[in-house]
Amino acid sequence: AQKITQTQPGMFVQEKEAVTLDCTYDTSDPSYGLFWYKQPSSGEMIFLIYQGSYDQQNATEGRYSLNFQKARKSANLVISASQLGDSAMYFCAMREGNFNKFYFGSGTKLNVKP
Amino acid sequence: DVKVTQSSRYLVKRTGEKVFLECVQDMDHENMFWYRQDPGLGLRLIYFSYDVKMKEKGDIPEGYSVSREKKERFSLILESASTNQTSMYLCASTPGAPGEQYFGPGTRLTVT
Repeated sequence: AQKITQTQPGMFVQEKEAVTLDCTYDTSDPSYGLFWYKQPSSGEMIFLIYQGSYDQQNATEGRYSLNFQKARKSANLVISASQLGDSAMYFCAMREGNFNKFYFGSGTKLNVKP
Repeated sequence: DVKVTQSSRYLVKRTGEKVFLECVQDMDHENMFWYRQDPGLGLRLIYFSYDVKMKEKGDIPEGYSVSREKKERFSLILESASTNQTSMYLCASTPGAPGEQYFGPGTRLTVT
């Protein structure tokens, strides 16, 4: 079974609107971490936001927030007030327990339209 | 700031050549990783290392080997490059404590 599933290969959003990128995960470990990365066309992976499995509140970092629904095993990324510079690939990832192995989804390509 | 560097941004090699991809991190991180990235497949783990001279196979180790002789340096070796190893290769590192991965800029390898 896939550990991380991103069901949206590509998405469009109008500039200044909010957008939600979906991510579901699969683990039986009670301790895990969830991450979102942005990859612009230049190729570097940029860390955006982290959510721990025991965190009571949803993580937020500036315009990024993580909608963490533990029972549904979903960790959707919400980008508010989209900007043209947000156009990129976005990857959801998970680390289980204290293991050093990370699992990545297949990514969502976001295009922000002016 | 953590810095992870990779020896080349772009590389073109011929089938059958031995290829070395170098990765260096400057933050004394214990863990280092090599991934390959292909369209529609996301990042797939090739190998990772949790200490000097220690390595673990990832999901797709076939055709690759690694070397970690010093803590800051993690090398990926393609013993005999093949065209199906044409891909983007990403190196990453993390400290011992749980945390996010820090990535290098990537090496786009083309095998002809």
